[in-house]
Amino acid sequence: EPEVTQTPSHQVTQMGQEVILRCVPISNHLYFYWYRQILGQKVEFLVSFYNNEISEKSEIFDDQFSVERPDGSNFTLKIRSTKLEDSAMYFCASRTQGAGEQFFGPGTRLTVL
Amino acid sequence: QQPVQSPQAVILREGEDAVINCSSSKALYSVHWYRQKHGEAPVFLMILLKGGEQKGHDKISASFNEKKQQSSLYLTASQLSYSGTYFCGTEGTGNQFYFGTGTSLTVIP
Repeated sequence: EPEVTQTPSHQVTQMGQEVILRCVPISNHLYFYWYRQILGQKVEFLVSFYNNEISEKSEIFDDQFSVERPDGSNFTLKIRSTKLEDSAMYFCASRTQGAGEQFFGPGTRLTVL
Repeated sequence: QQPVQSPQAVILREGEDAVINCSSSKALYSVHWYRQKHGEAPVFLMILLKGGEQKGHDKISASFNEKKQQSSLYLTASQLSYSGTYFCGTEGTGNQFYFGTGTSLTVIP
């Protein structure tokens, strides 16, 4: 069964460093999402992406964040200069159409020291 | 923008029923329900589209009242495997998606 994959599963970085989180959505899906979840808290929407551009972003998704689809399969989230409060689980999700089930990847745990 | 869920937490014995509510201050076009187990990604349960529909999946069902901007998830005859955190999710006119505040459900033997 097709699934969304994410790498790495855990990333440890120093404050101020850049990190890139990678996702491979399900191949025929067109809509892609990034979410973050601080430990023990709610899942927060960061950004949605369709047709090679950002379609929506939340107030959390400031200039420190960027997303890219560098090739036909990968979907990346870059944090330019990490802060302690960026420590969280980051989930990628994809779906085939604008309304419908989102398929989540297993997440990347980001720890900023 | 974020939907509010109630209750925040509930503890059930196996076989008991529960209702989880989700309400939004904004107009809803659809409501999703997800369950998340500790340390795992959210898993889709069902989606309800506007029109006041109800859906069911085994012993888990849901309703959506778009006029009241509310949805409820009904879990009947709960099983140990139902334990987890339940999130509703809502989307508006754009391609944004917001999860609710979450309800922690614990089923004990």
